[in-house]
Amino acid sequence: GAGVSQSPSNKVTEKGKDVELRCDPISGHTALYWYRQSLGQGLEFLIYFQGNSAPDKSGLPSDRFSAERTGGSVSTLTIQRTQQEDSAVYLCASSPGVGNTIYFGEGSWLTVV
Amino acid sequence: GENVEQHPSTLSVQEGDSAVIKCTYSDSASNYFPWYKQELGKGPQLIIDIRSNVGEKKDQRIAVTLNKTAKHFSLHITETQPEDSAVYFCAARSNSNSGYALNFGKGTSLLVTP
Repeated sequence: GAGVSQSPSNKVTEKGKDVELRCDPISGHTALYWYRQSLGQGLEFLIYFQGNSAPDKSGLPSDRFSAERTGGSVSTLTIQRTQQEDSAVYLCASSPGVGNTIYFGEGSWLTVV
Repeated sequence: GENVEQHPSTLSVQEGDSAVIKCTYSDSASNYFPWYKQELGKGPQLIIDIRSNVGEKKDQRIAVTLNKTAKHFSLHITETQPEDSAVYFCAARSNSNSGYALNFGKGTSLLVTP
């Protein structure tokens, strides 16, 4: 595709349920990032993948959050036992490689009720 | 880690006027400074960036300046138009960041009134 694709675009879930958010990066981009944007806030780094290397999970806020990247392309961010404070926009971004320009998707808006 | 401060948080200007947004960073090793524009309901879009070996960069009505000594950089928008209304984020990246991840400011909500 032409840009970073994320799904779902909107998700409303009940507190305690698990959610999965998907990211399809720009074709050929080896670096993939997940960020979280809470209402009126800046972008908070969550996790980074580069090729087949082990991901850097240093930004994940708790062990309820995890992410995978299969085949060096599509990534899934999973939030287990969601809580209301998890409500935010989850943004995925990709880059041709380390140190290059980072391009964002449109985000997945998560609301936990 | 890197800390990026951004001011002001909100900015209102009249169409045709200039707008300036300022950011400071804490990590002297930071070497890349992009600016993103985010419209309501959309993801951030890169509008301009500058690297540490350059003091100023211009692209039509948008310019960015960098003062490495003072560790601050600014976005300048001239001849503002209503479609410039959006939230603008500055960011900084250094070699010490995770995977060259960007550290973002908290954003400036710019409103351009006709």
